[in-house]
Amino acid sequence: GAVVSQHPSWVICKSGTSVKIECRSLDFQATTMFWYRQFPKQSLMLMATSNEGSKATYEQGVEKDKFLINHASLTLSTLTVTSAHPEDSSFYICSARVTGSFYNEQFFGPGTRLTVL
Amino acid sequence: AQSVTQLDSHVSVSEGTPVLLRCNYSSSYSPSLFWYVQHPNKGLQLLLKYTSAATLVKGINGFEAEFKKSETSFHLTKPSAHMSDAAEYFCVVSERRNYGQNFVFGPGTRLSVLP
Repeated sequence: GAVVSQHPSWVICKSGTSVKIECRSLDFQATTMFWYRQFPKQSLMLMATSNEGSKATYEQGVEKDKFLINHASLTLSTLTVTSAHPEDSSFYICSARVTGSFYNEQFFGPGTRLTVL
Repeated sequence: AQSVTQLDSHVSVSEGTPVLLRCNYSSSYSPSLFWYVQHPNKGLQLLLKYTSAATLVKGINGFEAEFKKSETSFHLTKPSAHMSDAAEYFCVVSERRNYGQNFVFGPGTRLSVLP
């Protein structure tokens, strides 16, 4: 149980294009999902918190107009990188928290490798 | 705000010898603490978690960690390293926010296991 999937697992795009990454909780409902970014040999940095049916909460320094988050259902959140640039190349990881979870555990997706040429 | 320190960026051990990965945290209240493992180009897998129950927590693959409030530590140990343990390990503290609770990740410790 508690499986989180991401699609695609990797994507290569040209500079200036937009890329959408999907995060799905496969066997549970997730009121809250999180988006992280991980640069090579670095730790995960929280980008934003996504709550179903409401606007995402972005961390300081993360451009909300560049990283669009939509959490339209209890099992799906999407991250769209708009007008991507080479510096946006990174490993993007989502996680989901089980609705009503007492222990605040997050279940992580396998990540999406984005390369912007 | 909560923070996490992992004192060693890289630890190298021989196969069959004990593993110790150190983690210290700062928190203004009783935290939830987690250890995750990440293999190259993979997502994160939960090893174990502390949630104010027993201070000695046993996880998967023979790992365990002890919560020591007086030392604000949550070190990860394993009696005997296996080659498959080579990976990146992250210590995580759960942080309380106005809109919920979020994870704060430590910088990570890369574990190498030598044959």
